[in-house]
Amino acid sequence: DMKVTQMPRYLIKRMGENVLLECGQDMSHETMYWYRQDPGLGLQLIYISYDVDSNSEGDIPKGYRVSRKKREHFSLILDSAKTNQTSVYFCASSFTTGGHSYEQYFGPGTRLTVL
Amino acid sequence: AQKVTQTQTSISVMEKTTVTMDCVYETQDSSYFLFWYKQTASGEIVFLIRQDSYKKENATVGHYSLNFQKPKSSIGLIITATQIEDSAVYFCAMREAYQGGRALIFGTGTTVSVSP
Repeated sequence: DMKVTQMPRYLIKRMGENVLLECGQDMSHETMYWYRQDPGLGLQLIYISYDVDSNSEGDIPKGYRVSRKKREHFSLILDSAKTNQTSVYFCASSFTTGGHSYEQYFGPGTRLTVL
Repeated sequence: AQKVTQTQTSISVMEKTTVTMDCVYETQDSSYFLFWYKQTASGEIVFLIRQDSYKKENATVGHYSLNFQKPKSSIGLIITATQIEDSAVYFCAMREAYQGGRALIFGTGTTVSVSP
């Protein structure tokens, strides 16, 4: 059963605290993604990872960093969280072959509130 | 620049009828992929169906089908025999290959409400 998992599902932090969001997938997908979703703005790409230690900035990388040390695991880190980083964060993964990535499979999301 | 536009913000239909929603896209690439996703009330995002730009046949999966009109840069989603659980937000998305980038570009979504 193809699955993308995210932990935690809900998180409340204070401004200035560090945040670690974890994502896992059991499909051996090379490519993984972090998005955030805000009302009226849709899904915005934060970072994309092409494989272990091969990461690239997306459209809104400022204030975020990522880590991918194993193919099945991709972390999103917020150093000194800000209130405007309150959002729902989605992780996704996709199968890649011949330079093409196909449909993305999404995790259930993490609702982060920064007070 | 790549862009995906969904102009219908919401659609209401009766159960067991057919709903059609529109999506237009902009791309300079000759080869690209088009996707439809569904986001349920719980927030879950589910992949529904894909259309490859080089294929002339419209993709069909279950009660989802596509109306791909390449000259118009249009990819409509058709849901037949709708059920209450089809109530959701539907996103159109596109992926093109450029300099190794493999990100999806999403539209803003169409909310579908199915009534009994």
